[in-house]
Amino acid sequence: AQSVTQLDSQVPVFEEAPVELRCNYSSSVSVYLFWYVQYPNQGLQLLLKYLSGSTLVESINGFEAEFNKSQTSFHLRKPSVHISDTAEYFCAVTPFSGGYNKLIFGAGTRLAVHP
Amino acid sequence: EAGVAQSPRYKIIEKRQSVAFWCNPISGHATLYWYQQILGQGPKLLIQFQNNGVVDDSQLPKDRFSAERLKGVDSTLKIQPAKLEDSAVYLCASSLGRVGTAGNTIYFGEGSWLTVV
Repeated sequence: AQSVTQLDSQVPVFEEAPVELRCNYSSSVSVYLFWYVQYPNQGLQLLLKYLSGSTLVESINGFEAEFNKSQTSFHLRKPSVHISDTAEYFCAVTPFSGGYNKLIFGAGTRLAVHP
Repeated sequence: EAGVAQSPRYKIIEKRQSVAFWCNPISGHATLYWYQQILGQGPKLLIQFQNNGVVDDSQLPKDRFSAERLKGVDSTLKIQPAKLEDSAVYLCASSLGRVGTAGNTIYFGEGSWLTVV
């Protein structure tokens, strides 16, 4: 079985400051890793994903995440946040295994960017 | 490309009443998911369809929840009778096929917000 732990339920930060949202996972098999973002009153949107290859993946709006297999982590970072980044961020995994797989989510981290 | 469509967006019902949510996935997507998101928690998978067959319903409370995907396209999730703890957002999602293979991202709808009073 797989599980995802997001270490911070809320992260307040000032505009233009850097931010890191932490995610650790547990799995007996290899997994794919995802970050989804949920803006107020909206559904989940894929922010970025790690499937294979380079362990550093980037999104189009300046976020990046690094897969660390030895630490079973997939932390999300942004060097300078904007007010518009205020949202809830969910880390998720899905196993490599055969069959029809599914996303298993963490509890989420609420990012609040203040002016 | 049209996204995942869900209705209704908001519903308030009394406990022991019934409610139904509808979902139309992205055209051509074989896999359809229903997730339950309780306030302050991450989404939890209720049921997963591959075309019109159920491949995972292990976390669906079958005594009160049911879902169907007739003809392998749109889907309906029903709750009868509702309990207070069913208050949540019900998210429908779809993907081309197996998640994680190239291009097979899961796309989510905006959700149906249920309040049981």
